[in-house]
Amino acid sequence: ILNVEQSPQSLHVQEGDSTNFTCSFPSSNFYALHWYRWETAKSPEALFVMTLNGDEKKKGRISATLNTKEGYSYLYIKGSQPEDSATYLCAPLSGGYQKVTFGTGTKLQVIP
Amino acid sequence: DAGVTQSPTHLIKTRGQQVTLRCSPKSGHDTVSWYQQALGQGPQFIFQYYEEEERQRGNFPDRFSGHQFPNYSSELNVNALLLGDSALYLCASSSPTGLAGMGSTDTQYFGPGTRLTVL
Repeated sequence: ILNVEQSPQSLHVQEGDSTNFTCSFPSSNFYALHWYRWETAKSPEALFVMTLNGDEKKKGRISATLNTKEGYSYLYIKGSQPEDSATYLCAPLSGGYQKVTFGTGTKLQVIP
Repeated sequence: DAGVTQSPTHLIKTRGQQVTLRCSPKSGHDTVSWYQQALGQGPQFIFQYYEEEERQRGNFPDRFSGHQFPNYSSELNVNALLLGDSALYLCASSSPTGLAGMGSTDTQYFGPGTRLTVL
């Protein structure tokens, strides 16, 4: 079982602020890392899958970077909007067939 | 296109009972994974089914078992329920296209979950 840590646990930002949070994981035997957004009362939604050291992914105002050598990934949100309020989960994979280990998530609240 | 569906939405059971949760994958998907999310934790991987076989399993006791049907839908069964089994149970489906068939980059599509309460 991987030790996956996400920080901070929760975050309150004002609308328009940019923010970022971290996912830390063991760097050995790394295969891939997924980021998910989970809005209250909805299903987790896939944001990115990242595999290579130095990978950068972007989807609208949300972007992510990956450092597999030191075992961390950053998720950035530029100009946060209330609809960005959700829990953001990272899930690194240490082996095949999607035996994923989820972090506990970062709960983001964007205040209008 | 219907996404991943799960039933029931909520369920209340007592200790010692058995429960069956159901999942229908997204159209075109043949792989189903089950997760347990206890309060304050991230989802924990239970097992994954592909071609009606359990392909991978997390650290859950044998009380947790599953099945996949020829139409790719799946069931999660939990026997001898404990209070600690109270959680949100999530089902996710995918279609394996990942690197070297390992599936590690496949996007999973999650259902809304079944909230199980054990009294």
